[in-house]
Amino acid sequence: SSELTQDPPVSVALGQTVRITCQGDTLRSYYASWYQQKPGQAPLLVIYLKNNRPSGIPDRFSGSSSGNTASLTITGAQAEDEADYYCSSRDSSGTHYVFGTGTTVTVL
Amino acid sequence: QITLTESGPTLVKPTQTLTLTCTFSGFSLTLNSNGVAVGWIRQPPGKALEWLALIYWDDDKLYRPSLKSRLTVTKDTSKNQVVLSMTNVDPVDTATYYCAHREASLDAFDVWGQGTMVTVSS
Repeated sequence: SSELTQDPPVSVALGQTVRITCQGDTLRSYYASWYQQKPGQAPLLVIYLKNNRPSGIPDRFSGSSSGNTASLTITGAQAEDEADYYCSSRDSSGTHYVFGTGTTVTVL
Repeated sequence: QITLTESGPTLVKPTQTLTLTCTFSGFSLTLNSNGVAVGWIRQPPGKALEWLALIYWDDDKLYRPSLKSRLTVTKDTSKNQVVLSMTNVDPVDTATYYCAHREASLDAFDVWGQGTMVTVSS
């Protein structure tokens, strides 16, 4: 399957740590990237190639992967981290892209 | 600084062809831009992102398999534009359509346009 399945909505207390996951068979072969999307805004790349942050992304964002699961961890969540998060990777062909189902993160 | 801007109609009737233009700056899609690509991604209201198509610097093209028969992506390097056409639209194609820059070394969409909302309705 080329589907990427993400967690249901999650909440995290301000300053605490939250980890969200992305599952899919293709993650055994291809790295995941992660995107943050706030209401009414375009997605923003926060992690690429499993655990690399683009310039300007705070180091509280980190990525990891094991088997068919990729994870995004926010260590010390801030109010501004409240958003929808999408994982993405290649599909089983290795050429096309696929996005995950998305996870809404609420910071309490 | 890389920027991308989508443009096109906000309302399209069912069965018509939707044509969207992505005008970009800060990079090129020419033969000496090894690895660079521009992708199209859409998002129906309240739903997840959906990858649609990708066009590479060398004019190679990829399409979402389930929509391949309805999609065409082209580039005009002289105008720094990428055009996405979708034939025979249906109300389920109502979505915000984004174009995005894909850097080969990142294998991810690192810069996105602001998106353009398209409604398919009679």
